[in-house]
Amino acid sequence: AQSVTQLDSQVPVFEEAPVELRCNYSSSVSVYLFWYVQYPNQGLQLLLKYLSGSTLVKGINGFEAEFNKSQTSFHLRKPSVHISDTAEYFCAVSSMNSGYSTLTFGKGTMLLVSP
Amino acid sequence: DSGVTQTPKHLITATGQRVTLRCSPRSGDLSVYWYQQSLDQGLQFLIHYYNGEERAKGNILERFSAQQFPDLHSELNLSSLELGDSALYFCASSQVGAGDLTTQYFGPGTRLTVL
Repeated sequence: AQSVTQLDSQVPVFEEAPVELRCNYSSSVSVYLFWYVQYPNQGLQLLLKYLSGSTLVKGINGFEAEFNKSQTSFHLRKPSVHISDTAEYFCAVSSMNSGYSTLTFGKGTMLLVSP
Repeated sequence: DSGVTQTPKHLITATGQRVTLRCSPRSGDLSVYWYQQSLDQGLQFLIHYYNGEERAKGNILERFSAQQFPDLHSELNLSSLELGDSALYFCASSQVGAGDLTTQYFGPGTRLTVL
């Protein structure tokens, strides 16, 4: 079975500061990894995904993530955050055990950006 | 806007009742997924349909059922409702079998409140 751990439930940060949201996964087989963002009262929007190839993945809104197989991590980073980045961020994994068709989500990390 | 539509946006009902949530996938997407988001359980995968057939089941209660119709829209039926069923229910779709098959696009969700 696969699982995802998001180590921080909340991350407060000041505007224009860098941020890292941590994600670790557990799976005995190869995986695909995703970060989704959920703005208040909205659905989930895909930020970026890792399928294969380069371990550094760039996404929308200036976010990027690095896949580290040895540490089973997929941390999300942004060099300078804006107030509008305030949202909940979910890391998710799918694996060949499920035919890569189902997503297992972490509990989410609330990013709180203040002026 | 992801292109996935869900109705209704909000639903308030009483314990013991039955409700139906509806989802229309993005044009061309053959797969529909249902997720439940609650404060205590987080985001949990319920069920996956592909072109009318059930493909995978997650943590879906026996009181819950789903189907996908020939026009590819899907319905999630929740019966004998309990207070604990109050949650946000998301539908997602993907173009499994062609192109960007691993990305799931989420609808805005249906908020169910059971009183």
